[in-house]
Amino acid sequence: SQQGEEDPQALSIQEGENATMNCSYKTSINNLQWYRQNSGRGLVHLILIRSNEREKHSGRLRVTLDTSKKSSSLLITASRAADTASYFCAMTTDSWGKLQFGAGTQVVVTP
Amino acid sequence: NAGVMQNPRHLVRRRGQEARLRCSPMKGHSHVYWYRQLPEEGLKFMVYLQKENIIDESGMPKERFSAEFPKEGPSILRIQQVVRGDSAAYFCASSLGTGGMSIYIQYFGAGTRLSVL
Repeated sequence: SQQGEEDPQALSIQEGENATMNCSYKTSINNLQWYRQNSGRGLVHLILIRSNEREKHSGRLRVTLDTSKKSSSLLITASRAADTASYFCAMTTDSWGKLQFGAGTQVVVTP
Repeated sequence: NAGVMQNPRHLVRRRGQEARLRCSPMKGHSHVYWYRQLPEEGLKFMVYLQKENIIDESGMPKERFSAEFPKEGPSILRIQQVVRGDSAAYFCASSLGTGGMSIYIQYFGAGTRLSVL
């Protein structure tokens, strides 16, 4: 079974709007990351938030982490057509660094 | 400044044949991870290797699958006697392995798409 579940499964918005997606997980984590995957490509790291952090920003990205609820959210502000991709949360629960992924949210941004 | 290189990008095999997937990590990276992705799903961890050592293979099927990362050359994921259920995208990732949080950030190759006929 997957460690993470993402919501929504798919999201369609217009350019300029904000996109929010959520990730819930089951066990304690060391850190949580968000990755982006364009169709047919590999994953690209976006942002990492440690288990003792609550919020982190990187450019137009904002990530929150609530360890009491075992959930995280990714907000993309002022979306662009180039943000069209699948977004995955990934958890690290051990010292080796192996990632346990959610099923992803497909985001489509229309011009 | 090459990233993680995987080859081939696409691989077609008939049932019962062997599939060999190659991964060259980023320069300076000594940690390699293999993941499998089925259509419309997230990636599933398979195996984690360092040079000449398998550290964690808890995600690898017990039979037909093996992985290596020799002292010289790329990491190899080998699938013997492939079956249709092995059809998937296989991704390799590498990380620096040292230096605080950097060990957790992984850099992914473009993947090998295996189709079993």
